[in-house]
Amino acid sequence: AAGVIQSPRHLIKEKRETATLKCYPIPRHDTVYWYQQGPGQDPQFLISFYEKMQSDKGSIPDRFSAQQFSDYHSELNMSSLELGDSALYFCASSTRTDTQYFGPGTRLTVL
Amino acid sequence: AQKVTQAQTEISVVEKEDVTLDCVYETRDTTYYLFWYKQPPSGELVFLIRRNSFDEQNEISGRYSWNFQKSTSSFNFTITASQVVDSAVYFCALSDLNQAGTALIFGKGTTLSVSS
Repeated sequence: AAGVIQSPRHLIKEKRETATLKCYPIPRHDTVYWYQQGPGQDPQFLISFYEKMQSDKGSIPDRFSAQQFSDYHSELNMSSLELGDSALYFCASSTRTDTQYFGPGTRLTVL
Repeated sequence: AQKVTQAQTEISVVEKEDVTLDCVYETRDTTYYLFWYKQPPSGELVFLIRRNSFDEQNEISGRYSWNFQKSTSSFNFTITASQVVDSAVYFCALSDLNQAGTALIFGKGTTLSVSS
């Protein structure tokens, strides 16, 4: 079965640079979520979209923005990167309130 | 506010032992979902099970079983005859049943180490 696709899988950036993470949901899933997981931490919710509209918002920094496009893929844009942004970023998808299935994650390292 | 507590930070067992991972949750919602996810050393988050708040039936899937008790706000997970491949971090999570795009609230996770 098709899974959630995330790209890139690994990303290395310098402080103050910009990064864009991409997420392609499971076909026919209309809801996308973004989570951030620091080392040894549980995943923390950032933001979600349902039918291309923002649905819920967590502790997402103002330096981050995201959107869901007409083909349901989503992008997380991160600017003015800080050392503390180094983490594993997960995208998940679902149909409405159904089970969230996670992608393999993007490991971001900020130097 | 919603909260998930996994009091066991780390558990170590020897292969073939049974092990139970505890999960206690708090919510004011009357309808909600409870989940267990597995995160092996490779890092991905793997869905294991979902229960609705109005369905307290216990579930068994192979060596895995889940005990949901609303009276004690608990959703415990038991692995029977553990294997080395069960070594992972296990997260219990909670979400609202009614709104699309609602966040998963995760517990801190329990790291299970199974040795041979």
